Amino acid sequence: DGGITQSPKYLFRKEGQNVTLSCEQNLNHDAMYWYRQDPGQGLRLIYYSQIVNDFQKGDIAEGYSVSREKKESFPLTVTSAQKNPTAFYLCASSTRTGLNQPQHFGDGTRLSIL
Amino acid sequence: AQSVTQLDSHVSVSEGTPVLLRCNYSSSYSPSLFWYVQHPNKGLQLLLKYTSAATLVKGINGFEAEFKKSETSFHLTKPSAHMSDAAEYFCVVRISGGSYIPTFGRGTSLIVHP
Repeated sequence: DGGITQSPKYLFRKEGQNVTLSCEQNLNHDAMYWYRQDPGQGLRLIYYSQIVNDFQKGDIAEGYSVSREKKESFPLTVTSAQKNPTAFYLCASSTRTGLNQPQHFGDGTRLSIL
Repeated sequence: AQSVTQLDSHVSVSEGTPVLLRCNYSSSYSPSLFWYVQHPNKGLQLLLKYTSAATLVKGINGFEAEFKKSETSFHLTKPSAHMSDAAEYFCVVRISGGSYIPTFGRGTSLIVHP
């Protein structure tokens, strides 16, 4: 079945450490997105990519970095510059230009500080 | 510009009674509108979408929503709540032009009492 796979499901970060969250899709979608979810704040866009080797900052990109070397993969790195990384991170994908096409979501990664 | 407002952060109902989750949007263009459901520690699942065809849209699990342009609303309803409906619900708007980046509401938590 086609879908989005996020790993790991749970991740712990030590002080000063960078960690990378994986997101892989086999839906042949051009666009991919990373969201951060905090209680009561809905989803906030971190980065998005509409095509391989190109990506754009979202609303809260500071302290995060991404790459898009393959269509199927869009990893997110949470750097040590992100002082409050504890949150639930969701990856999504969609067709690039289909206005009426929904996003498909992975099951998320929960990141906590040790 | 586009925005979406979910009017209630929490809605509490008894099992077997109707559900109403309210969503208002603002958009300079004809929008596409979506409702997603999120169960704890899971990703978002599409419930239904409006894409300028019929104004009354039927979705999965007995949910439906009506697009009312004059009221700029897209409220989600279900005739009879089930315990398994307890979850977080998100209203999303997407417009043509620009980058097609969806805008999310802050979510409504549906609580179902036995």
